[in-house]
Amino acid sequence: NAGVTQTPKFQVLKTGQSMTLQCAQDMNHNSMYWYRQDPGMGLRLIYYSASEGTTDKGEVPNGYNVSRLNKREFSLRLESAAPSQTSVYFCASSEGSGGGIQYFGAGTRLSVL
Amino acid sequence: KQEVTQIPAALSVPEGENLVLNCSFTDSAIYNLQWFRQDPGKGLTSLLLIQSSQREQTSGRLNASLDKSSGRSTLYIAASQPGDSATYLCAVKGGEGAGGTSYGKLTFGQGTILTVHP
Repeated sequence: NAGVTQTPKFQVLKTGQSMTLQCAQDMNHNSMYWYRQDPGMGLRLIYYSASEGTTDKGEVPNGYNVSRLNKREFSLRLESAAPSQTSVYFCASSEGSGGGIQYFGAGTRLSVL
Repeated sequence: KQEVTQIPAALSVPEGENLVLNCSFTDSAIYNLQWFRQDPGKGLTSLLLIQSSQREQTSGRLNASLDKSSGRSTLYIAASQPGDSATYLCAVKGGEGAGGTSYGKLTFGQGTILTVHP
C-alpha cells in the first residue's frame, strides 16, 4: 500500500534556484493538496486541486506554482527559491471533492540557503 | 478566518494514565473535524474524523467528541502507552456556508506533543 508518495525526501537549494516537488497517490482520489509545516505556524495550505484539471490557491500560495498532471500526480514548483521557503512540505489526497479523510505523504524537507 | 487552538502544547504522563487533549475553533460552521497523529520526521496519520452532525467517534483506545456549538473537541486516550508518544493535531474543515473556496480545506491547530514514559 503506497498511498501518497513524495519525492524527494530531502533537498538543499541555493537562493534563486528552482525545483519541483513531486507527489503521486494510488488511491484514485479526486482531491489533492500541498501544505507547508513550519515551527510555531502549524500546517498551512499552499494549493489544492479538487479534481483533475483544476487548481486553487490556499492560504500561502505566493512563490509557488502547481500542476495537476493527471488524477494521480500533483506537483509543486518553486521558480526562484527564497530562504523563507525553507520548510517541510506535505502532499495529501482525499476522495470525492474533499469531504473525507485526508491521507498524507511522508514529506519533503527543503532547506534554502 | 477560522482559528484552531490546542491545549496543552505539551503533555508528559506515566504509562497507563487516561488523558484528554483539547481543541477549540472560532467558527462553528464546520463540515468536519479530524484528529491526526504525527511521529517525529514523519507525515500525518488520520486517527478519527467526526462529521459536523456527529457527537463522537471511537477507535480502539481513542475517543473523540465534538461540540460544534461551543467550538470544542476533545481526544480521549485510554490506558496510555509509550507507543502513543507523538504530536497530536486537530484540524477543522470549513462548512458549505463558508464559501466554495473553503471546501476541502483544513485549518490545523499547532498540536499537542505527548510523551508517555514507562
